[in-house]
Amino acid sequence: EDKVVQSPLSLVVHEGDTVTLNCSYEVTNFRSLLWYKQEKKAPTFLFMLTSSGIEKKSGRLSSILDKKELFSILNITATQTGDSAVYLCAVEANYGGSQGNLIFGKGTKLSVKP
Amino acid sequence: EAGVAQSPRYKIIEKRQSVAFWCNPISGHATLYWYQQILGQGPKLLIQFQNNGVVDDSQLPKDRFSAERLKGVDSTLKIQPAKLEDSAVYLCASSPRSLEGRSPLMNTEAFFGQGTRLTVV
Repeated sequence: EDKVVQSPLSLVVHEGDTVTLNCSYEVTNFRSLLWYKQEKKAPTFLFMLTSSGIEKKSGRLSSILDKKELFSILNITATQTGDSAVYLCAVEANYGGSQGNLIFGKGTKLSVKP
Repeated sequence: EAGVAQSPRYKIIEKRQSVAFWCNPISGHATLYWYQQILGQGPKLLIQFQNNGVVDDSQLPKDRFSAERLKGVDSTLKIQPAKLEDSAVYLCASSPRSLEGRSPLMNTEAFFGQGTRLTVV
């Protein structure tokens, strides 16, 4: 059975801290891995990763994928209170059809204290 | 540019009651999606419309859920009768065209509404 596991489930840090969020997966027909930030609305797309070892970076956020060990990490440096959100990891599996298939983890709830 | 509009924002109903959600996509967007996101899970696609035709409703519980998109613009999603496990946020998204096998959650051409939070008690 395909699955995506995120850890930790929740995390509380102080502003300025660096955090690492983890996502491991067991998915057949892997196509890509995606990270999202979700506040009180629909998920906001952060990164799509398809190749191992290539870091994607956007401001204070970065992510990397290891297709051999089947995991990805999302790093946030110099955290700010605005980073407080649930971070979702999803793996896209290629099953054909009109949508492909996204398998989500349960998310990591990050709380950044002032 | 106006975004995807959804209403109501919140709804509380008793089990076995009926409820309807409304979505007005961005003007000119041909493709419309309804998602269900249960607390602690990622969004699950319920139905995808291309204009007023259904492209994918394989995960729609058709015994109680129905959706329509008359005239290929606004859409309504109905639950009748509701169950406790239907408590979730219902998200509507639209895109200008079919995304050819890729989810709108992976495409910057797709836009989401604010969602309707349904609580069934």
